[in-house]
Amino acid sequence: AQSVTQLDSQVPVFEEAPVELRCNYSSSVSVYLFWYVQYPNQGLQLLLKYLSGSTLVKGINGFEAEFNKSQTSFHLRKPSVHISDTAEYFCAVSSTSGTYKYIFGTGTRLKVLA
Amino acid sequence: GAGVSQSPRYKVAKRGQDVALRCDPISGHVSLFWYQQALGQGPEFLTYFQNEAQLDKSGLPSDRFFAERPEGSVSTLKIQRTQQEDSAVYLCASSLAAGGYTFGSGTRLTVV
Repeated sequence: AQSVTQLDSQVPVFEEAPVELRCNYSSSVSVYLFWYVQYPNQGLQLLLKYLSGSTLVKGINGFEAEFNKSQTSFHLRKPSVHISDTAEYFCAVSSTSGTYKYIFGTGTRLKVLA
Repeated sequence: GAGVSQSPRYKVAKRGQDVALRCDPISGHVSLFWYQQALGQGPEFLTYFQNEAQLDKSGLPSDRFFAERPEGSVSTLKIQRTQQEDSAVYLCASSLAAGGYTFGSGTRLTVV
């Protein structure tokens, strides 16, 4: 069985400041890892993914994340946020075999302040 | 189409009514998933299709929930005798492979 923990339900940050959204996972098998963003009344948009290879993954909109297997973490970072980054962010894990269904965290609401 | 299309976008149902939610995946995408997202929560897996075969339905919360994808493209999620606890956003996603799905905008179901 797999689980995902997003430790912060809300993160307020001022515009142009850096941000880190935390994600930890638990799994007895190898995993793929994902970050999705959800804007109000919209579906989820893929920000970035880790499938294999380099543990530092770069995504869209200037976001990046680092897979740390020993700490079972996949934290999302951005060096300088914009007002438009205000949204809900979800971390997800899937096994590397089988149906590839996602287990999602409960989400982190990023609020960028002017 | 260019993206995953879901209809209707909003649905209000009276308790006890049956509803049908439609998903048009990206053309050629073999895998199709349904998720349920309650207010303030992350999406939860309902069911998975590979082409027309429903390979995993372990997330369906009760036998009132039924999904089909008869020709391996469009899928329908049906909920019979809706209850208030069924109120949620229902998300459909499709993919070619394991490297990340494309989600639709969802159907927001409100049971009154």
